[in-house]
Amino acid sequence: QKEVEQDPGPLSVPEGAIVSLNCTYSNSAFQYFMWYRQYSRKGPELLMYTYSSGNKEDGRFTAQVDKSSKYISLFIRDSQPSDSATYLCAIPSGGGFKTIFGAGTRLFVKA
Amino acid sequence: GAVVSQHPSRVICKSGTSVKIECRSLDFQATTMFWYRQFPKKSLMLMATSNEGSKATYEQGVEKDKFLINHASLTLSTLTVTSAHPEDSSFYICSAKRMDRSPYNEQFFGPGTRLTVL
Repeated sequence: QKEVEQDPGPLSVPEGAIVSLNCTYSNSAFQYFMWYRQYSRKGPELLMYTYSSGNKEDGRFTAQVDKSSKYISLFIRDSQPSDSATYLCAIPSGGGFKTIFGAGTRLFVKA
Repeated sequence: GAVVSQHPSRVICKSGTSVKIECRSLDFQATTMFWYRQFPKKSLMLMATSNEGSKATYEQGVEKDKFLINHASLTLSTLTVTSAHPEDSSFYICSAKRMDRSPYNEQFFGPGTRLTVL
């Protein structure tokens, strides 16, 4: 079993839709959870991070962690064509020296 | 702040030649830099972890003699693909961690280098 699993998609939604992106992980010791966004032919950039369980909101983006089920989610409200990108969940491991990345979900928001 | 640059952004070379890719942290000192490889529509594959002044730590299956990494200063790491072959064609991305390491291990990524070996 991979340490972090993420459906690669692609996921195609109309503009204005609510998008739900998800990952599962296997190690219950993980504490920090991150979401990176990667535009085509660019390096990833950190979008949000959360610590332990709960929700964190930043504008149209909400990150959610459910440690009981080892499930993390990123919600995008009122999605825009500019949100079209690949979204990667990421979890620090190895004492914080490495980061495990999910496969990334390709999102297309159609105008 | 926290800008990472890579040079070149794109390179095309002939099979058998060596290619050097530079990764620089422009406005911070990086204790650790990482080199990733990414295939089309695939996730990041960590190749090696590079600490300033010491030898890089390579991931299993990555040939250290093929992919030479040098982390000469707190702002510069280089990846040299030696005797490149068409199967080495890929998107190479570096990232850097700041000296004041965040608890969530934030990495700042460069824009990537597209290598094409003919």
